Amino acid sequence: EAGVTQSPTHLIKTRGQQATLRCSPISGHTSVYWYQQALGLGLQFLLWYDEGEERNRGNFPPRFSGRQFPNYSSELNVNALELEDSALYLCASSPGRDSFSTDTQYFGPGTRLTVL
Amino acid sequence: DAKTTQPPSMDCAEGRAANLPCNHSTISGNEYVYWYRQIHSQGPQYIIHGLKNNETNEMASLIITEDRKSSTLILPHATLRDTAVYYCIVRSSTFVFGPGTRLSVLP
Repeated sequence: EAGVTQSPTHLIKTRGQQATLRCSPISGHTSVYWYQQALGLGLQFLLWYDEGEERNRGNFPPRFSGRQFPNYSSELNVNALELEDSALYLCASSPGRDSFSTDTQYFGPGTRLTVL
Repeated sequence: DAKTTQPPSMDCAEGRAANLPCNHSTISGNEYVYWYRQIHSQGPQYIIHGLKNNETNEMASLIITEDRKSSTLILPHATLRDTAVYYCIVRSSTFVFGPGTRLSVLP
């Protein structure tokens, strides 16, 4: 069974540009989560989508946005890129059957975004 | 969400059991304890989770104290490939990853 996949693996942008990151969940999973991991820091929760709706959002500015498509894949958009947006962006998926408090998340390999 | 406290680093000899502690003294009754690990900038890998009973799977065992204020992840026979950062998470509304424990398995 294929795991969570993310594309691209690496992305280089300049300050002020927009970045789009993509995630395909494990087959049968309806929930997708996005996290940011800056160099040397822990994972920071960004967004949670389930059944096409945004369910929860971390403490990030509105220029971080996303959506979930009918096939449950998701994309994360970061507008007006800043240097401090350089990080590993991780996507995770879960079955979405249970409540958020018990759903086990499975992570993809990440997209490393570098802002110059 | 309850906060967790883990030692920043630990060493373990290859082939020996690795016991990674986690304190979560403010845990509430419906919060699960999850363990993940992250190997050098890869995506975190799910290990195990539990509510109040001890759990075991093919990767590890999770021992949760009766008062649920702490837990221990046990890797029964650590190998060099188990070198990673291990995260203990108490989860209710969100997954909050702390700095974790950097486990080094030594030959």
